[in-house]
Amino acid sequence: NAGVTQTPKFQVLKTGQSMTLQCAQDMNHEYMSWYRQDPGMGLRLIHYSVGAGITDQGEVPNGYNVSRSTTEDFPLRLLSAAPSQTSVYFCASRTGGNAGANVLTFGAGSRLTVL
Amino acid sequence: AQSVTQLGSHVSVSEGALVLLRCNYSSSVPPYLFWYVQYPNQGLQLLLKYTSAATLVKGINGFEAEFKKSETSFHLTKPSAHMSDAAEYFCAVTSWEYGNKLVFGAGTILRVKS
Repeated sequence: NAGVTQTPKFQVLKTGQSMTLQCAQDMNHEYMSWYRQDPGMGLRLIHYSVGAGITDQGEVPNGYNVSRSTTEDFPLRLLSAAPSQTSVYFCASRTGGNAGANVLTFGAGSRLTVL
Repeated sequence: AQSVTQLGSHVSVSEGALVLLRCNYSSSVPPYLFWYVQYPNQGLQLLLKYTSAATLVKGINGFEAEFKKSETSFHLTKPSAHMSDAAEYFCAVTSWEYGNKLVFGAGTILRVKS
């Protein structure tokens, strides 16, 4: 059972380039989300999805795009990378419904550097 | 705005000493509270969660946390620190006031000295 799989683990981009961070889960979770982790700021929610075809913005959505065409996959797209997007990105999923009752399972993270 | 505050971005304890990591939250309704741990270069793992069943919650690796409504706190403790406890710890909260989303504190890095 792989859980939540993120690729790539590391990526270096130049300013203005675009890329996609991949996230896949094999637990049939309805809810999927992307967080970014920055020193001293904890994890901040970028985008989330409560099911295939449904996405919504989190706390820091600007500069990122998502889609959810299947239950398993939830890619995060950086449209035009900026140095401020240098961060560690985590994908997390859980069963649907109450966020308090259903625990998030996290991927191992993707470290992105934008030069 | 709803928030989670972790007092102390870095905490240093000696091996065998008490670990106390502080977390305060804002919520006018009963919240769900979590502690996660992140070991170096890894994702987050759940340590424990509070869902109103009992105010003292026991988690993995000997950690526990006590929910105190009057103090809006959910501090994490462990009686005796081990070198393997060195990691970053995150407190997180959710309720309908948070839009059913999990909101994290800034994190506390725990250092354990031999």
